[in-house]
Amino acid sequence: DAGITQSPRHKVTETGTPVTLRCHQTENHRYMYWYRQDPGHGLRLIHYSYGVKDTDKGEVSDGYSVSRSKTEDFLLTLESATSSQTSVYFCAISERDRETEAFFGQGTRLTVV
Amino acid sequence: SQQGEEDPQALSIQEGENATMNCSYKTSINNLQWYRQNSGRGLVHLILIRSNEREKHSGRLRVTLDTSKKSSSLLITASRAADTASYFCATDENFGNEKLTFGTGTRLTIIP
Repeated sequence: DAGITQSPRHKVTETGTPVTLRCHQTENHRYMYWYRQDPGHGLRLIHYSYGVKDTDKGEVSDGYSVSRSKTEDFLLTLESATSSQTSVYFCAISERDRETEAFFGQGTRLTVV
Repeated sequence: SQQGEEDPQALSIQEGENATMNCSYKTSINNLQWYRQNSGRGLVHLILIRSNEREKHSGRLRVTLDTSKKSSSLLITASRAADTASYFCATDENFGNEKLTFGTGTRLTIIP
């Protein structure tokens, strides 16, 4: 398995609190992605990064911010969690010379109550 | 809206039969990939087909790509119980960005 670790794996938090999810890789891959998965919606891209300090928005970026200060770490922050952000979050990495696959972490189940 | 849409949303077949699922997308792409997700797990890459390819095989998997129709199909032959999973297509958009966007998935159930 590709060296990609998400933490925490499970989290319950209250509405209005900030939450940070971490994705850590040991593969030195350039690209990193955050997705959320909800029933009926498949995987939706939140934010992605194409290098240190280089990030861009995906299709559902509102309410989320990201940071990548090192190649190996990509952080996803919910500034003020809402119930609509209850979801399973997946991080993925890719070398991305447009010919390569993405490797996924095991997911973080976030519940906002 | 999402780039990819899989069809059908759910499929149940008997073990040993072939399973076909389809993916439609909206924009010009560099390549299209298929992934599998077992319940509660992360996605696992199955196969990648480039935009200039029309068909590709890998073991029991056969993928076709029709860029004129913006569609792809995944065929799993001689299905096994272990093939029970959700299957997603993903597209690498040809816009100069690096987005990898996924469809909504097909839930495949193999009946022993």
